[in-house]
Amino acid sequence: DIQMTQSPSSLSASVGDRVTITCQASQDISNYLNWYQQKPGKAPKLLIYDASNLETGVPSRFSGSGSGTDFTFTISSLQPEDIATYYCQQYDNLPSFGPGTKVDIK
Amino acid sequence: EVQLVESGGGLVKPGGSLRLSCAASGFTFSSYSMNWVRQAPGKGLEWVSSISSSSSYIYYADSVKGRFTISRDNAKNSLYLQMNSLRAEDTAVYYCARDKGYCSSTSCSTSFDYWGQGTLVTVSS
Repeated sequence: DIQMTQSPSSLSASVGDRVTITCQASQDISNYLNWYQQKPGKAPKLLIYDASNLETGVPSRFSGSGSGTDFTFTISSLQPEDIATYYCQQYDNLPSFGPGTKVDIK
Repeated sequence: EVQLVESGGGLVKPGGSLRLSCAASGFTFSSYSMNWVRQAPGKGLEWVSSISSSSSYIYYADSVKGRFTISRDNAKNSLYLQMNSLRAEDTAVYYCARDKGYCSSTSCSTSFDYWGQGTLVTVSS
C-alpha cells in the first residue's frame, strides 16, 4: 500500500501570508495527487486534481505542484475563510489520503 | 445542481449490520463511478469502497473487505453500502462521493468532486 505523509500537521499564519503544505508518497505516484479542503462539520471539497489542476470555481490563490513522490500545496495569500484542514489524496492504486494539515489564523 | 444525500446511519451493536444509501440527483448517475469515504470522530479521511458506473469494477479497503458490500441501482440513481459484522472501529461519518471522471491524454484520475453531507454510524454496545 502507498503511504502518504503531510507536513506540517498544523500551522498558524497571518492573513495575507503565503502558506505551503507538503505531501510525500512512499513510492512514485506520477501526478496522481489531489488536494481537498475540509471545514469543521462539513464534507471535504476538491481544490486541486492531478497535482496542479485547479478545480472549477476554486480561487486562484490555491495552487499545487509536484510529481513522483513530492508534492506541494500553496495558498498564496491566506484569507480568513481558508481556515480548514487540508488533505492530499493519491490514486496510483487504491485511493488513500494523507493525515491532514490543520490551518488556522495567528 | 449536483446533490448527494446519504441516509441509513445510526447506532448499532458490535457484530450488527446496517445499510447506507446515497440518493443522487442533478447529474447522469449512470455515467459516473461512485465511492464511500469515512471519517472517524476527530480523525482523517479513509476511502472505503468504489464502484464503476456499470458495477463492473468494485474495490474495497482492506479494513472492510469481506464485511462491506457496495452496490448501485442506476435506475433509482442510488448508491448503497451494506455493512455487516460491524466493529467499534467502523464508527465514523460515512460520505458518498462522486468520482470526477477526469481523463487526460494519457490516463484517468480518481478524484472526488462532489460529496454528500455524510451519515453517522456508531457501533457501540
